[in-house]
Amino acid sequence: KNQVEQSPQSLIILEGKNCTLQCNYTVSPFSNLRWYKQDTGRGPVSLTIMTFSENTKSNGRYTATLDADTKQSSLHITASQLSDSASYICVVAHNNNDMRFGAGTRLTVKP
Amino acid sequence: NAGVTQTPKFQVLKTGQSMTLQCAQDMNHNSMYWYRQDPGMGLRLIYYSASEGTTDKGEVPNGYNVSRLNKREFSLRLESAAPSQTSVYFCASRLAFSSGGNLYEQYFGPGTRLTVT
Repeated sequence: KNQVEQSPQSLIILEGKNCTLQCNYTVSPFSNLRWYKQDTGRGPVSLTIMTFSENTKSNGRYTATLDADTKQSSLHITASQLSDSASYICVVAHNNNDMRFGAGTRLTVKP
Repeated sequence: NAGVTQTPKFQVLKTGQSMTLQCAQDMNHNSMYWYRQDPGMGLRLIYYSASEGTTDKGEVPNGYNVSRLNKREFSLRLESAAPSQTSVYFCASRLAFSSGGNLYEQYFGPGTRLTVT
């Protein structure tokens, strides 16, 4: 079964600190991997999209990495802000457009 | 440019009641999607419409029907609501569905929180 597993389930950090969220997947064949940010009570918003040939993609303070060989991705957040408090969702797409969503990591940034 | 809009934002139904969730997008996108999000689980695809005039089942279609009313609007209907359908429902749209459009951004609406008692 195609799975997307995220860790940790939740994370609390202090404002200004960095953090890294993990995503492991078994989806195959693989087309692309996306990271979304979902604020409480809102819909997910895209942060990055990477194909199998891309190792790193940045969007401001967010940097996603992808190792297609080990089927792992990470999202690194630099110099966290209170507004980074949200759920971060990893999504892996099949070649046939089927997208599989992880359950998300709930990040809380405290002052 | 409102993006993807959904109505209502909240709804409480009794078991057996029916209702329709509305979704509209103003980005001239061809593909539209309905997902449900349950605690501790990833979003799951209910139905999608690759283009105007077509609809297809997703991962969890049982108990739901959809209508692609026109290019802008895609509705989700619960004919006889059950407590298992308590969830948050998200509509999404994307410019294209084909494999050539596989990298297109997918835009989500704000969600409808549905409770079935």
